[in-house]
Amino acid sequence: DGGITQSPKYLFRKEGQNVTLSCEQNLNHDAMYWYRQDPGQGLRLIYYSQIVNDFQKGDIAEGYSVSREKKESFPLTVTSAQKNPTAFYLCASSIRLQGAEAFFGPGTRLTVV
Amino acid sequence: DQQVKQNSPSLSVQEGRISILNCDYTNSMFDYFLWYKKYPAEGPTFLISISSIKDKNEDGRFTVFLNKSAKHLSLHIVPSQPGDSAVYFCAATINNAGNMLTFGGGTRLMVKP
Repeated sequence: DGGITQSPKYLFRKEGQNVTLSCEQNLNHDAMYWYRQDPGQGLRLIYYSQIVNDFQKGDIAEGYSVSREKKESFPLTVTSAQKNPTAFYLCASSIRLQGAEAFFGPGTRLTVV
Repeated sequence: DQQVKQNSPSLSVQEGRISILNCDYTNSMFDYFLWYKKYPAEGPTFLISISSIKDKNEDGRFTVFLNKSAKHLSLHIVPSQPGDSAVYFCAATINNAGNMLTFGGGTRLMVKP
């Protein structure tokens, strides 16, 4: 089955530690994205990638880093520099850079303790 | 400043009746609009979209209306079903311009049996 997978579903991190969230897609999509969802704020774009080995900052990139070494994979690292990392993180992909309809993964809930 | 706003955080409707979810935007350059549906702890799923060259798009029980002069769009669900209970996000973009989706804050719809 084609789709987007994110792992893990729930993640706990101690304050001051970096953590990497996984995102894999087998849809052969060129574009991939990371969003963050906070209550009442909708989805905010962290980073996006249009093609392998290229990525761009979104609206709230501070404290995050990404890589795109393979077309299928777009991992997100939440660094200790991110002041409010507790959130629901969503990965998405689309055939081309948006506005084509994006397909979302199931999300990872990160809690910093 | 939020460019896409959903002013009603929640909406409760009786099963079989019409649900109307509203969305306003401020950027007159937006020319493509989408609605996503999201269940708790899952990623959003694409529901329906509309281009600015149209004022209505229909797909089964779902119809999206666009009023460009008022910078307003709405999603109508009729008849509403309990399975429609979810959070609905509207999103807007400047199509083919490499612009990302800008999401509203979401409206939680509850359809009561």
